[in-house]
Amino acid sequence: QKEVEQDPGPLSVPEGAIVSLNCTYSNSAFQYFMWYRQYSRKGPELLMYTYSSGNKEDGRFTAQVDKSSKYISLFIRDSQPSDSATYLCALGGYNKLIFGAGTRLAVHP
Amino acid sequence: ETGVTQTPRHLVMGMTNKKSLKCEQHLGHNAMYWYKQSAKKPLELMFVYNFKEQTENNSVPSRFSPECPNSSHLFLHLHTLQPEDSALYLCASSQGDVGYEQFFGPGTRLTVL
Repeated sequence: QKEVEQDPGPLSVPEGAIVSLNCTYSNSAFQYFMWYRQYSRKGPELLMYTYSSGNKEDGRFTAQVDKSSKYISLFIRDSQPSDSATYLCALGGYNKLIFGAGTRLAVHP
Repeated sequence: ETGVTQTPRHLVMGMTNKKSLKCEQHLGHNAMYWYKQSAKKPLELMFVYNFKEQTENNSVPSRFSPECPNSSHLFLHLHTLQPEDSALYLCASSQGDVGYEQFFGPGTRLTVL
């Protein structure tokens, strides 16, 4: 079983849609939860960083962590074509940072 | 320059060549990382340096040789690579002993012929 599972997509949505991106994980030692966004031909950039269970909101983005279910989500409200990118979840714990394979998102006008 | 920079951005090399990738971070961080990113696969951690000391080598073949002369610079020396080594090589940096919040460079797209 992989430590982190992430659906690779691609996910195609119309502009203005609410997008839900998810990862599941197997090791309860993970304590830090991150979402990175990677545009084509660029390196990943940190989008959201949470430590605990619950929700964290930043503009149109909401990160949600459910440690009991080992499930993390990123919601994008009012999605824009500029949100088209690959979204990577990353989990930190026991001195390691483990990445998901990434979900490719395309937002079309 | 700001953030993390990498040169070259693109590199094509033959299997018998020797080349080096360079990374520089302008964030004052103490830890630097090399990752390999292949299509549809998770980022693979290759090497970790903390205060210039290598703290992790993730079973990387010896044809990849890292060098960290100071906390701001990181190199990856390449020799006798294989076609399956073609990938995007990413450098990252972080602050603190355990760097979960990592900042990435744009990567070097490597093609091995």
